[in-house]
Order: sequence, then structure tokens, then C-alpha cells
Amino acid sequence: SAVISQKPSRDICQRGTSLTIQCQVDSQVTMMFWYRQQPGQSLTLIATANQGSEATYESGFVIDKFPISRPNLTFSTLTVSNLSPEDSSIYLCSVDEGQGHEQYFGPGTRLTVT
Amino acid sequence: QKEVEQNSGPLSVPEGAIASLNCTYSDRGSQSFFWYRQYSGKSPELIMSIYSNGDKEDGRFTAQLNKASQYVSLLIRDSQPSDSATYLCAVNVDNYGQNFVFGPGTRLSVLP
Repeated sequence: SAVISQKPSRDICQRGTSLTIQCQVDSQVTMMFWYRQQPGQSLTLIATANQGSEATYESGFVIDKFPISRPNLTFSTLTVSNLSPEDSSIYLCSVDEGQGHEQYFGPGTRLTVT
Repeated sequence: QKEVEQNSGPLSVPEGAIASLNCTYSDRGSQSFFWYRQYSGKSPELIMSIYSNGDKEDGRFTAQLNKASQYVSLLIRDSQPSDSATYLCAVNVDNYGQNFVFGPGTRLSVLP
């Protein structure tokens, strides 16, 4: 399976600022996905990022709050803007591979907003 | 609303026992089914995938799928303390990645 890295692994940010998370894959992939995992909760899909097109956002997530870039087939960024304490979560990127489009996850970025 | 439900935890089993984790899903057209293991502070790790009715075995893990009952299960034989983690059931509704739905997870504790 693809090897996925994320930067930063964790960060503490002040309210009102933004954080950009980078996701790098060691092979070319068509779709990359961004998830949020709030404390003690399961994974919620934020958006799907395809190279060369606008990201597709899930209900409840908007581009102004979570702008995404996908400049090539191995890289994507997620920005979490205008941070509030409610944004404190783990943010995960993933790619899909295989027969059933299994998803493989990066190590995650733990964001704490103070 | 496509839903994936799992039996509530925490589930505690003694070392060496069989742990049984259950999952139901709402969309009858779902195509692919997955079990992920997530250790505390780590990202989810794919441990089993299953696409057709019946059983699929991989080492100590067996996934069972019954599409008529919309039911997926994961059996862990000879449970070890290292199996203690949260197990997430995931369903790919139409074989495209963007329709991946995760269940809430079941926390498993294997007692030495």
C-alpha cells in the first residue's frame, strides 16, 4: 500500500489563526481524502481532493473554512481557517487503492486550539 | 442518510478468548466492507476487507459478511492484550472512495 506522510504531526494554535496540513504520498493517486476525528469519535469525511479540479466537500464543511489544494498526484494540503476550540481534532488524509477502494491513512495531525 | 452501526463498547474479553465485533449498515447497495484497527493516538490501520458473502480468514482474524442481513462481523481468535484497540467498521457504498462511511467504533480490551 501507499506510504503516506503528514506534516505537522501536531500543533497548538491560537483562536482566529489558520493551520495548513500537508499530505504527501509516495505514489501517484487519483483521489485523496481529508477526514476529521474529534476526541472519542469516529471519522468524518471533510472533502475529496482530485488533482486538477475543485475539491468536493461533504455536508457541513465549506471551502472558506477548509480550503484544499491538490497541485499534483502525490500531494495535497488542507487548511483549517479562523480556528476555534471546536476545531481541536485529529485531521487525517487518506488515499484509496485496491479492488474495493480500500482507504489507507496517513499518521494524522493533532490540532489543539487555545 | 447512510449509516453504519456497531455494538457499543467497551468489550472486554480474557486473553486467549474469541472477541466478536459486530456491524450493521443501512444501504443495501453497499459493495465493500472493511475493518480497521485504531490504537490510541494512532491512525486507523486496515486489517480486513471483504466483498462477497461468507467468511474470509487472515491469521487470527475472520471477517463474516451477510448482505441479506446487512451485517458484517469480525472475529479475533486467541485474543492478545496487543489486540486492545478501537475497531472501526467501514462500508464503501458504491465502490467509489468518496462514499466511504465509518461506524462509531467498538473499543476492545483484552485482559491478561
